[in-house]
Amino acid sequence: AQSVTQLDSQVPVFEEAPVELRCNYSSSVSVYLFWYVQYPNQGLQLLLKYLSGSTLVKGINGFEAEFNKSQTSFHLRKPSVHISDTAEYFCAVQRSGNTPLVFGKGTRLSVIA
Amino acid sequence: KAGVTQTPRYLIKTRGQQVTLSCSPISGHRSVSWYQQTPGQGLQFLFEYFSETQRNKGNFPGRFSGRQFSNSRSEMNVSTLELGDSALYLCASSLNLAGGGAGELFFGEGSRLTVL
Repeated sequence: AQSVTQLDSQVPVFEEAPVELRCNYSSSVSVYLFWYVQYPNQGLQLLLKYLSGSTLVKGINGFEAEFNKSQTSFHLRKPSVHISDTAEYFCAVQRSGNTPLVFGKGTRLSVIA
Repeated sequence: KAGVTQTPRYLIKTRGQQVTLSCSPISGHRSVSWYQQTPGQGLQFLFEYFSETQRNKGNFPGRFSGRQFSNSRSEMNVSTLELGDSALYLCASSLNLAGGGAGELFFGEGSRLTVL
């Protein structure tokens, strides 16, 4: 079975600074990888996804992530954060096929003015 | 295009009662998944329905059940509520595959259940 580890539960960062949210997964088979964002009192919204092909994936709101198969990682990055990026971010993995997404426990990003 | 709609948004129940939550997926989406979100455990998969059939099931006790109707609307039921069932219950729809796959999951805003 696959699993996801988000290495930081909370990440505080100053406005306009870069940020990296770390995600590692374990799976014995090829997987799809996702990052979702959850703003307060809302559901989850897809930021980006890796299915195949280029290991650098660009998403919405200036976020990008890099798939590293040898390190089984899918870290999320943004070069310059805004106050509006304050939210909880979830990494998720799905085994190929009709199987459920497995989510990490989330990283709470707090952007400080 | 309307998003995923969950009702009710908030509800309070007491131990031993039962609760039914409703989810209307995006039009045309045939797959509906349910997740339980708590601060300690994060997002945990409950079950997924596709064309009125339960296609995947998570590791929850039998008190948690669900169903899907011919119009793809889904309901989940929790019987004999326990304090630990307090959580945000999220519904997500997708076009076809469980969990999105080549597509993506579209989430509703959730139903926040408090058990006293």
